Amino acid sequence: DQQVKQNSPSLSVQEGRISILNCDYTNSMFDYFLWYKKYPAEGPTFLISISSIKDKNEDGRFTVFLNKSAKHLSLHIVPSQPGDSAVYFCAARAPGTSYDKVIFGPGTSLSVIP
Amino acid sequence: NAGVTQTPKFRVLKTGQSMTLLCAQDMNHEYMYWYRQDPGMGLRLIHYSVGEGTTAKGEVPDGYNVSRLKKQNFLLGLESAAPSQTSVYFCASGRDNNNQPQHFGDGTRLSIL
Repeated sequence: DQQVKQNSPSLSVQEGRISILNCDYTNSMFDYFLWYKKYPAEGPTFLISISSIKDKNEDGRFTVFLNKSAKHLSLHIVPSQPGDSAVYFCAARAPGTSYDKVIFGPGTSLSVIP
Repeated sequence: NAGVTQTPKFRVLKTGQSMTLLCAQDMNHEYMYWYRQDPGMGLRLIHYSVGEGTTAKGEVPDGYNVSRLKKQNFLLGLESAAPSQTSVYFCASGRDNNNQPQHFGDGTRLSIL
């Protein structure tokens, strides 16, 4: 039973348009959310994060929105660029007694078409 | 600026063989992690370490062992490889467990025949 879901395995967007990647979660104890970006044959790299006490965090072209009541977050990329083509992983942190577990979603492959 | 280095990058094993995957980080991070990535399943935590000399089980630890004898190194061992362990393995490190992102290596692609 996946606690972090990314229901769109892939997404194609025209260069210059907005890319919206979605993520849903089931555990209301998650207190911190992260997005990672992964190019082929490389490891994931951190992109942006958001605390559960906020509903929006922005960093340049990247904005993450959190809707706690819907247990949903989204990553907006505006404008999309060909270099944004990658797999994007949503991750959520669950506080623990000795270790805060991070759960990753299955990823969404974004293709930005020139 | 090496960051997190994994060796080897690729390996093919026969069922029943053993091997060790090496992970080294040069950022003086306390936390280190081993994940496996399988299609449609995201990254799943195998084992982790919160400091030199410590290890703990993650989500899918069966069939794997780990050691953290030095702060900069985290080793993942397969004692008797099985086809179900065919996967891409990622090592990661982090400064702490509080809102700090993890830094990943480039992965080891392991095939068990």
